[in-house]
Order: sequence, then C-alpha cells, then structure tokens
Amino acid sequence: GAGVSQTPSNKVTEKGKYVELRCDPISGHTALYWYRQSLGQGPEFLIYFQGTGAADDSGLPNDRFFAVRPEGSVSTLKIQRTERGDSAVYLCASSFGGGANTGELFFGEGSRLTVL
Amino acid sequence: DQQVKQNSPSLSVQEGRISILNCDYTNSMFDYFLWYKKYPAEGPTFLISISSIKDKNEDGRFTVFLNKSAKHLSLHIVPSQPGDSAVYFCAATSGGYQKVTFGTGTKLQVIP
Repeated sequence: GAGVSQTPSNKVTEKGKYVELRCDPISGHTALYWYRQSLGQGPEFLIYFQGTGAADDSGLPNDRFFAVRPEGSVSTLKIQRTERGDSAVYLCASSFGGGANTGELFFGEGSRLTVL
Repeated sequence: DQQVKQNSPSLSVQEGRISILNCDYTNSMFDYFLWYKKYPAEGPTFLISISSIKDKNEDGRFTVFLNKSAKHLSLHIVPSQPGDSAVYFCAATSGGYQKVTFGTGTKLQVIP
C-alpha cells in the first residue's frame, strides 16, 4: 500500500514480557517518527529518525524503550520488561524530511499495546 | 510541561453552523502550526497548517487563524458537516527541527 503500515495492529502481553512493534514508512520518506498516545491524550513524541540514525530520542521514557531503523526504511520499536503503564497506542509517522520543516506527518493506524 | 494546550476537550455544533476550535502554545520558538484530524481506530491525518509569518490560512471550509502576540491559534470550520465529527489535534514545530508537539485534542461532534 501507499501509506504507513504498522504491525501488529493489536498486541496483548503480560507484564515483564518483551514486545516489538514494526513500522513500514511511505516509500521515499527519509524521516520516521514514533509517538505514543494514551487514552484522552494527544500523541506524545518518542523518537525521530533521519535516515538510519536517531536524530532525537529525547522522548523515550526510560531505557526499557529502544528503536532501530537499520536500513533507513522499516523501523522497530522495542520495549523490554513491559509494565502496565506502557499500555497505549503506538503511532508511527513518516515525512519527506530534510529542508524546511513543515510538520506535515503521515501517520499509520497505530499499534494498540495492552499490558496485563 | 504542556507546550501546546487545547483547553476544550469536547465541542458540539449543529450541522451548517461554524465550529471554532482553540489552541494555545507557550514555546516562542514554534514557527509552524498545524491541525490534524483523527477518526477512531485511525491515525491522525494532516488538515491545514500556517506559518508564523502569516495570520490566516484558508483551505475550503477550513481556516486557521494565528495570533502570535497571544500565542493562540484557532481552527474555523464553516459550514460544519456531520463528517467533520472527529478529534482535532493542534500541533506545532520549529523550523528546521523535525519534532512535532501535539495538544491533547478536542472532540468535535456535528449534530445533523
């Protein structure tokens, strides 16, 4: 498809388990973002990639969260030792990147993570 | 520290009337402002934006107004349609820097 693809769409796991969430951005988009949206809140910035490198990871809440984008396309958000407070919708977005930043991001439908 | 604030969590408007959604920001470095629309179980989609060098931008039924001195922007939808019912997020960014900061959203309901 032409849009941002995220898998899985839903993930239920137990406290303490490891989780991986995948994002396949729009072809040609060099910038990739991860956001987290909790109930009743707006999307909260986690990390931004420009190409393969994490240009800004200031939003990652702690060292249990890690993201990679090894070939500058698909990205994986990894969460270790999950906690109930990690339950949220994890949104991935991509954009053309570079040049003047207009803030127009193209979002996927999100991965809903539930930690029991 | 909530740098982008939407103080109205919800708004109900009759079909055909004007919807006005408000947003305030605190970071003076923001120079590009956007509105995103979100339907349930979908990701946010870009709606309209405005650069800080302008005070108004119009696109069809949607107009965004920016008051820099008040650090306030608003989205006007005229006329409102039932299909406009969604959550609207205000967002902001700084030129040359890719991080986009979002508000908490306003849920708009347009009543037929």
